[in-house]
Amino acid sequence: ETAVFQTPNYHVTQVGNEVSFNCKQTLGHDTMYWYKQDSKKLLKIMFSYNNKQLIVNETVPRRFSPQSSDKAHLNLRIKSVEPEDSAVYLCASSQGDGNTEVFFGKGTRLTVV
Amino acid sequence: GEQVEQRPPHLSVREGDSAVITCTYTDPNSYYFFWYKQEPGASLQLLMKVFSSTEINEGQGFTVLLNKKDKRLSLNLTAAHPGDSAAYFCAVSEDSNYQLIWGSGTKLIIKP
Repeated sequence: ETAVFQTPNYHVTQVGNEVSFNCKQTLGHDTMYWYKQDSKKLLKIMFSYNNKQLIVNETVPRRFSPQSSDKAHLNLRIKSVEPEDSAVYLCASSQGDGNTEVFFGKGTRLTVV
Repeated sequence: GEQVEQRPPHLSVREGDSAVITCTYTDPNSYYFFWYKQEPGASLQLLMKVFSSTEINEGQGFTVLLNKKDKRLSLNLTAAHPGDSAAYFCAVSEDSNYQLIWGSGTKLIIKP
């Protein structure tokens, strides 16, 4: 049963446009994440948020930014998309300690044309 | 920092055969180990987990083995069936640092 909800499922946009993806979790978890999964299925963590504090920010281009209104929501904004941003973006949540399961949403597939 | 290498990237076996996917890691302080399954068109779901203190876990037709000496984690499938066709990812985290480090994934195909 899905407990991490992402919208939209798919998005096609042109280079230079701004996009925003939404994510909500109903598990009461205190940590949320955004991952990028490329065409080769490689998973790269982009951001994680714990109690409104950014914990991890890998070498992600500045055009990407996470936005959180509360611990149940973590949106992802891309200011000016590039062709290499085409990928599946996976939102996830966990209780934040190292031994618990990470729950993933179904992903948003972004295609930049 | 921790590095995780997963092999093979692709694996094709016949229905009923066994399959093994392996991850090696570098940090001896790694404590929590996970295997996730991603079916075609779906998201990742936890398949199994093992802790440094337990070293083995079984269920759903899979066995997870942890060799701490060699820093190797394996996912062993004893008798493949079509529903096992999916991408599998290992993930490793330390006890003190909760960051998960992911393997690069293995696409497993079960042939009839």
